[in-house]
Amino acid sequence: GAVVSQHPSRVICKSGTSVKIECRSLDFQATTMFWYRQFPKKSLMLMATSNEGSKATYEQGVEKDKFLINHASLTLSTLTVTSAHPEDSSFYICSARGGFETQYFGPGTRLLVL
Amino acid sequence: QQQVKQSPQSLIVQKGGISIINCAYENTAFDYFPWYQQFPGKGPALLIAIRPDVSEKKEGRFTISFNKSAKQFSLHIMDSQPGDSATYFCAAGRGGNNRKLIWGLGTSLAVNP
Repeated sequence: GAVVSQHPSRVICKSGTSVKIECRSLDFQATTMFWYRQFPKKSLMLMATSNEGSKATYEQGVEKDKFLINHASLTLSTLTVTSAHPEDSSFYICSARGGFETQYFGPGTRLLVL
Repeated sequence: QQQVKQSPQSLIVQKGGISIINCAYENTAFDYFPWYQQFPGKGPALLIAIRPDVSEKKEGRFTISFNKSAKQFSLHIMDSQPGDSATYFCAAGRGGNNRKLIWGLGTSLAVNP
């Protein structure tokens, strides 16, 4: 149980375009979803926390207009990287938490902006 | 300021040996301490977690030891196997704030055959 999926797994886009990443909890309802960014050989950097039907809470230094988060249902959250630039290239990972304290992670999305 | 300090940064262990990774925290409000395992190109997977009312928790070859007074907790991997080679992260969380986790910087474990 507690499976989280992400789509796409890899995406390559041109600079200036927008990219949407989906995060789904497949077998439980996610009260809270988290979006992380991870650089090679580095720790997880929390970008934002989202609750279903509410605006996301962004961590300090994360541009909310750059990284749009929508948590429209208890099983789906999306992260849209707007006007992507090469410095946005990274590994983006979502996690989901139901009525328990454990965060279950998706497999991650590798974004490369050319 | 790093609220959760993890050491060592990297670790090499022989097959069959014991891998030990340590974490220390500062905020006494933390009440949940998970360990995650991450393979390259994959998302982290929960290994084992502990709450501060327990001093030790064991699941298979993985054991968490928790020292509340010292504000430290550690992961022990018994009979380490090459398949255990991965990056391990400790984290700490507390009630409220949507239970977001504060992460250690990770330990890269290599188990030699």
